Amino acid sequence: EVQLVDSGGGLVQPGGSLRLSCVVSGFTFRSYEMIWVRQSPGRGLEWLSYISESGDTTYYAESVKGRFFISRDNARNSVYLQMNSLRAEDTAVYYCAREEVHRDRGDYESLDSWGQGTLVTVSS
Amino acid sequence: DIQMTQSPSSLSASVGNRVIITCRASQSIKNYLNWYQQKPGKAPKLLIYAASNLQSGVPSRFSGTGSGTDFTLTISSLQPEDVATYYCQQSYSTPPYTFGQGTKLDMK
Repeated sequence: EVQLVDSGGGLVQPGGSLRLSCVVSGFTFRSYEMIWVRQSPGRGLEWLSYISESGDTTYYAESVKGRFFISRDNARNSVYLQMNSLRAEDTAVYYCAREEVHRDRGDYESLDSWGQGTLVTVSS
Repeated sequence: DIQMTQSPSSLSASVGNRVIITCRASQSIKNYLNWYQQKPGKAPKLLIYAASNLQSGVPSRFSGTGSGTDFTLTISSLQPEDVATYYCQQSYSTPPYTFGQGTKLDMK
């Protein structure tokens, strides 16, 4: 069974840092690209960051570029999100997700498995 | 970045009704479009990928169409368990792969 378990959330003061973790099981982690997505209270989904299978390639949303950093450890079946210079507007539930690539007349990427989410609250 | 706009933002429908949700991209994304369902307090669930391909295990009352900039998600006969918020997401070219703002569906 595919499982993704998010952790590391909590209460942090503005300007502080936090590191989220996502540990996976039930599939060959090193063969999958991974994503972080967040959802602010009562709001929609916001795509945040991507990391390739090897970790060589990363992408970020403009809203977090230069503050958040994605990484992975394929030996530990884990992906991480280092969040620095946190702001009140970063308060959200953060999800890791597995990116499935459907190779059918093109490479179609979708998020087919998700963690349960971890809540980050930025407040003084 | 590519912007995704869904309509309506919310809707109510009765059991057995046909429901249509639309999603528009700010530029052509060919058929690089996914649909997700999210129930309160839960992580999103993939329904459809590549605009019209049903994810394994998803009921056949869900279907997707469209290409270019305009897409639709249709529920052919609404069931009580379909009450949820639905999101489209584009996966064209390179990230960021933006989401629409969501459409909240409830039961009349």
